[in-house]
Amino acid sequence: QKEVEQNSGPLSVPEGAIASLNCTYSDRGSQSFFWYRQYSGKSPELIMSIYSNGDKEDGRFTAQLNKASQYVSLLIRDSQPSDSATYLCAPAKGSNYQLIWGAGTKLIIKP
Amino acid sequence: DTAVSQTPKYLVTQMGNDKSIKCEQNLGHDTMYWYKQDSKKFLKIMFSYNNKELIINETVPNRFSPKSPDKAHLNLHINSLELGDSAVYFCASSSTQDQPQHFGDGTRLSIL
Repeated sequence: QKEVEQNSGPLSVPEGAIASLNCTYSDRGSQSFFWYRQYSGKSPELIMSIYSNGDKEDGRFTAQLNKASQYVSLLIRDSQPSDSATYLCAPAKGSNYQLIWGAGTKLIIKP
Repeated sequence: DTAVSQTPKYLVTQMGNDKSIKCEQNLGHDTMYWYKQDSKKFLKIMFSYNNKELIINETVPNRFSPKSPDKAHLNLHINSLELGDSAVYFCASSSTQDQPQHFGDGTRLSIL
């Protein structure tokens, strides 16, 4: 079992719809979770961080965390073509909070 | 003002050469990282320094040697470059180990 699993996609979503990105992780001790966006040829860019169970909203983005199910998700409302990118899920593990990176989900927003 | 800057952006060199990549952050962060992203796009941690102390040293060939002269700088030296070293190398920093990481633009290394 991979430490972090994400659907590689591509996930195609019509413009204006809600994009839902999912991630499961294996380390029950993980306490910090991060979503990054990476455009092709660019560096990863932080979208959201979440530390507690439940939902965390920031503009059009909502992160959801369920530690019991070892599941974290990212919802993007009113999807825009500029949201087309690869989204990386990264839980932190261990005393050094080392990020364990998923392979990423490629999201395509169709105008 | 660039927060995390890496030089050079592109590095094309031949097998067997030795090269260095430099990283500087002006965010006042305590922790810095080196990552490798290969052609399959997997991000792999290589090294992490906290206040100039090495805290993460993943299974990386000893041809790779990091050096942190101060909190704001983390350099990566690579000896005897091999074809498999071709990748994008990202430097990142975070205020403390448990906080979000901020990435530099990357150094694209190509080995001929």
